[in-house]
Amino acid sequence: EAQVTQNPRYLITVTGKKLTVTCSQNMNHEYMSWYRQDPGLGLRQIYYSMNVEVTDKGDVPEGYKVSRKEKRNFPLILESPSPNQTSLYFCASKAGYLGSNQPQHFGDGTRLSIL
Amino acid sequence: AQTVTQSQPEMSVQEAETVTLSCTYDTSENNYYLFWYKQPPSRQMILVIRQEAYKQQNATENRFSVNFQKAAKSFSLKISDSQLGDTAMYFCAFMKRYQGGSEKLVFGKGTKLTVNP
Repeated sequence: EAQVTQNPRYLITVTGKKLTVTCSQNMNHEYMSWYRQDPGLGLRQIYYSMNVEVTDKGDVPEGYKVSRKEKRNFPLILESPSPNQTSLYFCASKAGYLGSNQPQHFGDGTRLSIL
Repeated sequence: AQTVTQSQPEMSVQEAETVTLSCTYDTSENNYYLFWYKQPPSRQMILVIRQEAYKQQNATENRFSVNFQKAAKSFSLKISDSQLGDTAMYFCAFMKRYQGGSEKLVFGKGTKLTVNP
């Protein structure tokens, strides 16, 4: 089954404690992206990756890092989380250039609470 | 910069009736794609329907259809024969692909739809 898998689904942690949210897709997609969803703001892009070792900032990259060492994985790293990063996070993937009109496939979301 | 506006934060409809969710966007681009995503209480993001800007024909997927007005930059979603399972947050999204392969997906703030029995 084609899917985007995020872990963990829920996490409560404290300010300053480094955390990583993993994202893995089994569709051999080139393009992967991270979004955060906040009430009244919709989804905003944090970072995206067009392929292995190619990443770029989205609209709200501050406080986040990403890496793309393998095609299937695109982890989101919070080096020193702060309460304003409490949010619902989504990872998404899609086929690259040849799939330009294809929609992004989303994971089930990760609810992060930073105390 | 592209922006997407959903002017209805909340809407409700009776089961079996028809409802239309509005979406407008601002862009100077000519080639782009538009999507409606549904987010039920389970929080999953589920694609409802998509439209290529170069196509004049409005997209249809079963009970879901769009009214795409390119000149007016409008992309409304019509849900016919509403069902209780349609209760969800609906997001309109605009996608532009750039030379080199990068792309931008911009979301509206969402419309919360409640279908009443």
